[in-house]
Amino acid sequence: EDQVTQSPEALRLQEGESSSLNCSYTVSGLRGLFWYRQDPGKGPEFLFTLYSAGEEKEKERLKATLTKKESFLHITAPKPEDSATYLCAVQVISNTGKLIFGQGTTLQVKP
Amino acid sequence: NAGVMQNPRHLVRRRGQEARLRCSPMKGHSHVYWYRQLPEEGLKFMVYLQKENIIDESGMPKERFSAEFPKEGPSILRIQQVVRGDSAAYFCASSPSSGVYEAFFGQGTRLTVV
Repeated sequence: EDQVTQSPEALRLQEGESSSLNCSYTVSGLRGLFWYRQDPGKGPEFLFTLYSAGEEKEKERLKATLTKKESFLHITAPKPEDSATYLCAVQVISNTGKLIFGQGTTLQVKP
Repeated sequence: NAGVMQNPRHLVRRRGQEARLRCSPMKGHSHVYWYRQLPEEGLKFMVYLQKENIIDESGMPKERFSAEFPKEGPSILRIQQVVRGDSAAYFCASSPSSGVYEAFFGQGTRLTVV
């Protein structure tokens, strides 16, 4: 069964304290891995798509990396406005394009 | 440059009533996905539609739930005879294709069944 597991469930950081979020996946064949940000009461906001192991993408303080079994979302010198739930999702080759989501990591950055 | 539009944003229904949730995809997008987010749970796929076709409904509950995406107009997710357990946030996402294209999400409809 295709599965996505995110850790930790919750993360509290001080402003400026860098850290990483983990997304482990078990799928029959990876088409793409997606990172989204979700603020309370809002829909997921697209951040990155990664296609193959070794790929990296950056956006402001965020950097996403991909291996054959997991992806990391690195947050460098976070600010309070980075507080949100970060969602990881995979798209599997054999299916119709639907996304399989992890449970998310809720990040709180304190000033 | 309108994004994915969902309405209503909030919907309150009494048990046994019908709920209709609407989704207009981004301009140029012909693929629509519906997801449900139950309280304290992750997003779960429900159904994937193209214009006038249901492509994958493997995540839809077998009873009371239906979806359509007509040739003209928005996609509709319909829940008949709602029960308390249907209370959740329902999100629609659209993409230009079913390939590896990022899906863009709407702001969701929060359904409360009383």
